[in-house]
Amino acid sequence: SYVLTQPPSVSVAPGKTARITCGGNNVGGKSVHWHQQKPGQAPVLVIYYDSDRPSGIPERFSGSNSGNTATLTISRVEAGDEADYYCQVWDSLSDHYVFGTGTKVTVL
Amino acid sequence: EVQLVESGGGLVQPGGSLRLSCEASGFTFSSYEMDWVRQAPGKGLEWVSYIRNSGSSIHYADSVKGRFTISRDNAKNSLYLQMNSLRAEDTAVYYCVRESWELFREKYFDYWGQGTLVTVSS
Repeated sequence: SYVLTQPPSVSVAPGKTARITCGGNNVGGKSVHWHQQKPGQAPVLVIYYDSDRPSGIPERFSGSNSGNTATLTISRVEAGDEADYYCQVWDSLSDHYVFGTGTKVTVL
Repeated sequence: EVQLVESGGGLVQPGGSLRLSCEASGFTFSSYEMDWVRQAPGKGLEWVSYIRNSGSSIHYADSVKGRFTISRDNAKNSLYLQMNSLRAEDTAVYYCVRESWELFREKYFDYWGQGTLVTVSS
């Protein structure tokens, strides 16, 4: 089955840039979506189709996808960005949806 | 405003059954494909099951195939998950999730419910 690998944690100072990677075999050939989950809350979509932002999501959130790595970038990080982030794709071979292992973003 | 409200979670013994419900509002439910996603305590997200808007196509994760049944009632704007032969490893928060898409592109999850906790324990 298709596997998406993320770093377990990323730490970043306020005002700096956080980059969260999502690795998978030729993930650049798929559409990658990102979900943010704050403690005790349901996930929220923050990026879809690699780099599109839903309405209400700040422009500080951006995404890219190429080769074997997709990346979620959070610019000018704020304390409120502290959360778990999950990448997600649809695996056409299995007709299953696949989530990444998740990355905890800590704001120092 | 899109709303997805799950119910039906609780404590159940191993081998038991439980039926989860998800009531949708704020959109035309019959036009959207829906999924269940779960999250074990302290763990990541795991996709569980999918159902087409008409109910004509259904998929399951290997971990629940043969034990769980997804269904929907478009007249009642409701999604269901019948869970049988429950195991300790099924303990999780279960989320009802809406899919969206753009023409000729893959689908994605755009709205999540708040989740309902299922605990399988003796």
